Amino acid sequence: DSGVTQTPKHLITATGQRVTLRCSPRSGDLSVYWYQQSLDQGLQFLIQYYNGEERAKGNILERFSAQQFPDLHSELNLSSLELGDSALYFCASSVADSYEQYFGPGTRLTVT
Amino acid sequence: ELKVEQNPLFLSMQEGKNYTIYCNYSTTSDRLYWYRQDPGKSLESLFVLLSNGAVKQEGRLMASLDTKARLSTLHITAAVHDLSATYFCAVEETSGSRLTFGEGTQLTVNP
Repeated sequence: DSGVTQTPKHLITATGQRVTLRCSPRSGDLSVYWYQQSLDQGLQFLIQYYNGEERAKGNILERFSAQQFPDLHSELNLSSLELGDSALYFCASSVADSYEQYFGPGTRLTVT
Repeated sequence: ELKVEQNPLFLSMQEGKNYTIYCNYSTTSDRLYWYRQDPGKSLESLFVLLSNGAVKQEGRLMASLDTKARLSTLHITAAVHDLSATYFCAVEETSGSRLTFGEGTQLTVNP
């Protein structure tokens, strides 16, 4: 157990819908990262937050957004969902930049 | 753009044999990570390699890093069935802490 929690574990929804994935980092970690794992694209970095501020952006679609709240938990919002958005979404956390990242159990999103 | 390539992508080996997985990356970095992933599960950290020449060992797995060659290896010694999993290397960009992952090596150890 890495200490990073993610909810829900599984999510099944229809095309065009909007969902919110939630992540709680390890106690004391200020950085949160979101990654997407799909058969087509492999494991891809989406976005990083550090202490509430956006730190880095990767291959994140405009339909996706994220935020980190004052209690340091983070949410990833996915809207206008398409079949291709079906994937495992991982959250990771670290104490700060350039420290080891610890991965949560992931949320499996299925878009039908 | 940082690119990370692993080979082989699929590896089927017999118990007791040795093998090496290779991870090449395209731009300068001093930090490389190896992760293990079981089907449908999360990523489990195996090794953190932070400098040129770093070598770390845990059980039957040994990882090394050559930053000049931009190459890391994960060596498996006397494989056992429990090592069957997908192994990823991930490189941390020097300009930040985002990780770029290789495609993964799916390892199957047969009795």
